[in-house]
Amino acid sequence: EDQVTQSPEALRLQEGESSSLNCSYTVSGLRGLFWYRQDPGKGPEFLFTLYSAGEEKEKERLKATLTKKESFLHITAPKPEDSATYLCAVQRNYGGATNKLIFGTGTLLAVQP
Amino acid sequence: ETGVTQSPTHLIKTRGQQVTLRCSSQSGHNTVSWYQQALGQGPQFIFQYYREEENGRGNFPPRFSGLQFPNYSSELNVNALELNDSALYLCASSSGLLNEKLFFGSGTQLSVL
Repeated sequence: EDQVTQSPEALRLQEGESSSLNCSYTVSGLRGLFWYRQDPGKGPEFLFTLYSAGEEKEKERLKATLTKKESFLHITAPKPEDSATYLCAVQRNYGGATNKLIFGTGTLLAVQP
Repeated sequence: ETGVTQSPTHLIKTRGQQVTLRCSSQSGHNTVSWYQQALGQGPQFIFQYYREEENGRGNFPPRFSGLQFPNYSSELNVNALELNDSALYLCASSSGLLNEKLFFGSGTQLSVL
């Protein structure tokens, strides 16, 4: 069964204190691994897609990496505006039948000034 | 380019009632998916519509049903509401089943009393 596990559930950082969020996954035939950011009461906002082990992508203070079993979202020198829930999701290769996502429960990040 | 819009933003219903939620997909997108997000959880796939046909369904009972219209907008209908149907309902659109990137709306917060 496809499964996504994120850790930690919650993380509190001081502004400028770098850290990493973890997403471990089990999926038959990975098509892509996704990172989304979700602010309270809002829908998820797309951050990155990673397709194969060894791939890395960066956006401002965020960098996502992928191995065959897990992905990391590295946050360098975070600012209070980076506070949000970060969701990881996987998409299996369904051969074009559907593009549904399987989400983890997210990591709630709080960055204090 | 307009994004994914959902209505209403908030809704309060009582147990046993029926509800209809609406979604307008992003311009140029012909695929719409619906997700349920309970408090503190990641979104869970309900079903997907492609060119007005349901083409994938998650582990939700038949009282969850939907429609997609020729302009690719969509409705989610839930009959015989139960207390645990209280959640944020998210609509996501994409430009086809082979396009893995999903764009989410801000959701409808449904409370069942």
